[in-house]
Amino acid sequence: EVRLVESGGGLAQPGGSLRLSCAASGFSFFTYSMTWVRQAPGKGLQWVSTISDSGESTNYADSVKGRFTISRANSFDKLYLQMNSLRPEDSAIYFCTRGGFCGGGTCFPLDFWGQGVLVSVSS
Amino acid sequence: YELTQSPSVSVSPGRTAWITCSGDALPNQYAYWYQQKAGQAPVLVIYKDTERPSGISERFSGSTSGTTSTLTISGAQAEDEADYYCQSSDSGGTYVVFGGGTKLTVL
Repeated sequence: EVRLVESGGGLAQPGGSLRLSCAASGFSFFTYSMTWVRQAPGKGLQWVSTISDSGESTNYADSVKGRFTISRANSFDKLYLQMNSLRPEDSAIYFCTRGGFCGGGTCFPLDFWGQGVLVSVSS
Repeated sequence: YELTQSPSVSVSPGRTAWITCSGDALPNQYAYWYQQKAGQAPVLVIYKDTERPSGISERFSGSTSGTTSTLTISGAQAEDEADYYCQSSDSGGTYVVFGGGTKLTVL
């Protein structure tokens, strides 16, 4: 059974940092790209960042570029999102998802999702 | 790059619901559809325009014509009430883009 379990969320002050983790199990983690998607309260889904299966290629939404860093540890089946210079508008539920790498006219589907972790940015 | 969805669609039980998604790159990029019930994580229901993941009801189908992709839910049931999001990639096929979501009401 594929499982994705996020952790590391919580309350941060504007300008502060948080590091989200996602523990993956039930599949060969190193063969899949991984993606973070967020959802502000009462709002729609927003793509945040994607990392390739090897970790060599990464993409970021313009709204987080330069502030967030996606990484992975294939030896430990873990995905991470380092979030720096946090802003109130970064407040959202952050979902860890499998897939999402795009190329050649197609994207790998986001076929499994974690339950999400809440990030709140407020003074 | 944007994908445009109607904010809401209503359907009577047992009837067919159509949820559309418009985007200039859809003729060249696949569409994906996700169902999100209240308080839950999204679930993939259609990928690559028309494909249905295992475990997803046959009542869900997808199609694309020109710049519009459509999710069709046949014989709508109360359990289908949810938010539905389309997803594709930008025109360069580099990153994920979501539509704004459509709230389906079954009444």
